[in-house]
Amino acid sequence: GDSVTQMEGPVTLSEEAFLTINCTYTATGYPSLFWYVQYPGEGLQLLLKATKADDKGSNKVFEATYRKETTSFHLEKGSVQVSDSAVYFCALGNTDKLIFGTGTRLQVFP
Amino acid sequence: GAVVSQHPSRVICKSGTSVKIECRSLDFQATTMFWYRQFPKQSLMLMATSNEGSKATYEQGVEKDKFLINHASLTLSTLTVTSAHPEDSSFYICSARSAGIMYGYTFGSGTRLTVV
Repeated sequence: GDSVTQMEGPVTLSEEAFLTINCTYTATGYPSLFWYVQYPGEGLQLLLKATKADDKGSNKVFEATYRKETTSFHLEKGSVQVSDSAVYFCALGNTDKLIFGTGTRLQVFP
Repeated sequence: GAVVSQHPSRVICKSGTSVKIECRSLDFQATTMFWYRQFPKQSLMLMATSNEGSKATYEQGVEKDKFLINHASLTLSTLTVTSAHPEDSSFYICSARSAGIMYGYTFGSGTRLTVV
């Protein structure tokens, strides 16, 4: 069945470092791909999404490119801040449901 | 933008009692709502999918008699944890989707349930 695999965390970075969180997927058909962020004790917030191959999802600071050839959707940010510390979930939507990866905790230190 | 309100944010109840969690779409009609459960430091596990006016579809392994879901209107879905036990303690999150928005899922802020 469909699945999402994320790199295990925690990912620990210093402020202004470059961020990459890897995400790969297995799916039939042509799924949509998402990145969500979860701050402590809160629900999920959509960061970005991409609906077809080669699409670049972006919210101006985070971006991810839907790569069908490598079945990947890696999240990137050029310069992280302490406020980016959170758990990041990669997700796949292929019917009516979202399938989540296990989440990657990011810790950014000053 | 689309907003989903989930209430309460935290609840503590005694073993054997029932707890109701509400999920409301504030500015759109949610044709479909989803309920998730999240264990500490783990991912979200889909419990059930509910469509307005029809019975919820439960994922394999989720007890439908224990986790009662009602989606009586296009803006409200409720999850009732019946005869709660300590092992039901968890973080429950709802998500709502509108038929008019392709994969437009909006999540509530979650409910931390502690059963003592």
